[in-house]
Amino acid sequence: SAVISQKPSRDICQRGTSLTIQCQVDSQVTMMFWYRQQPGQSLTLIATANQGSEATYESGFVIDKFPISRPNLTFSTLTVSNMSPEDSSIYLCSVEKGPNYGYTFGSGTRLTVV
Amino acid sequence: AQSVTQLDSQVPVFEEAPVELRCNYSSSVSVYLFWYVQYPNQGLQLLLKYLSGSTLVKGINGFEAEFNKSQTSFHLRKPSVHISDTAEYFCAVDRGSTLGRLYFGRGTQLTVWP
Repeated sequence: SAVISQKPSRDICQRGTSLTIQCQVDSQVTMMFWYRQQPGQSLTLIATANQGSEATYESGFVIDKFPISRPNLTFSTLTVSNMSPEDSSIYLCSVEKGPNYGYTFGSGTRLTVV
Repeated sequence: AQSVTQLDSQVPVFEEAPVELRCNYSSSVSVYLFWYVQYPNQGLQLLLKYLSGSTLVKGINGFEAEFNKSQTSFHLRKPSVHISDTAEYFCAVDRGSTLGRLYFGRGTQLTVWP
């Protein structure tokens, strides 16, 4: 399975600022996914990122708030823009290398907005 | 629409007792099913997956799950739990036509007492 390096592991940010989270994979993958896990809750898919095309966002998530880049087949970033305390969550990236591999997750970024 | 229901938010058990964590899903198409575990302050780790074939799936750490198509269930079991199994467990479904877009249940907190 793929190995994912996600940075930063945690951060405390001021409201109104932005944070960019990076996800690096040790092999080429077609699709990468970004999830949010709000405190005490399950994971919700934010968007799907394919290399060479704009990300596809799920209902309730918009590009202006969560811009995503996918410059190549091993890397993606998620930016949380104009943050508010409600954005305090764990953000995780995931990759798909075919269902036989399951879907590997990064270790997550724990974001606290103050 | 896809949905995943984990019927128990918390399951407390004593060490060496058997445990079952319940998961039901709704879908009108074939799906792939997964169980993930999240230890405190860590990312998600794949426990096991059902893609096709045998309905009894064995995973890591002695866990197994049984896919029941007629009841649309995918319950997770372990015959004898250890304190180290204390964690949050998530059931997830992946629509076969859209690989990688996982829908998660709300999670079940398994607490194993000595």
